[in-house]
Amino acid sequence: SAVISQKPSRDICQRGTSLTIQCQVDSQVTMMFWYRQQPGQSLTLIATANQGSEATYESGFVIDKFPISRPNLTFSTLTVSNMSPEDSSIYLCSVDLPGGYEQYFGPGTRLTVT
Amino acid sequence: AQSVAQPEDQVNVAEGNPLTVKCTYSVSGNPYLFWYVQYPNRGLQFLLKYITGDNLVKGSYGFEAEFNKSQTSFHLKKPSALVSDSALYFCAVRDIRAGGYQKVTFGTGTKLQVIP
Repeated sequence: SAVISQKPSRDICQRGTSLTIQCQVDSQVTMMFWYRQQPGQSLTLIATANQGSEATYESGFVIDKFPISRPNLTFSTLTVSNMSPEDSSIYLCSVDLPGGYEQYFGPGTRLTVT
Repeated sequence: AQSVAQPEDQVNVAEGNPLTVKCTYSVSGNPYLFWYVQYPNRGLQFLLKYITGDNLVKGSYGFEAEFNKSQTSFHLKKPSALVSDSALYFCAVRDIRAGGYQKVTFGTGTKLQVIP
């Protein structure tokens, strides 16, 4: 398994501002993923981040709104830019471990935009 | 395209009774199937997976799941429910084909309520 931490765990932000969420893994992984989840609902994949290459975004998500960095094999950041109340959600990062197909998730960042 | 269906938004079961949380899937290739659990205010935890081999797979916390190819189902089961099993359960599928990464598709989730 993997131990994944996220910062911050929660935040309340004003409309129009940006928030950067950090994800740290305790082992080197090739692929990291960012998801969005409304409380009690399913997960929606935002993007896949490989180290050393541009992130791959899912339909409905764009780099200008959700820029992602992946500077090394244990760390990634997701920025939520120019926030609106519709961005209020839980943001989760996850990883694939080498040789496995299941994903391991961080504890999530609960974002509220006012 | 791949998809997962969890037909029940909520399942209620009495403590000590067996529980089943249903999941059906649709993929083009060979399905890799997963169950995850999310406790309140927590991230998702991996419970178990079916990749190949025995149709009955065992996972964490006494859970098991049965892969049924003809019915395209992967129902989660436990012989005796505990109050601490109350949580949100997600079924997921990954369509593994040669040549690259395939993203995971999650179901809508089923809230399991175990009644003391």
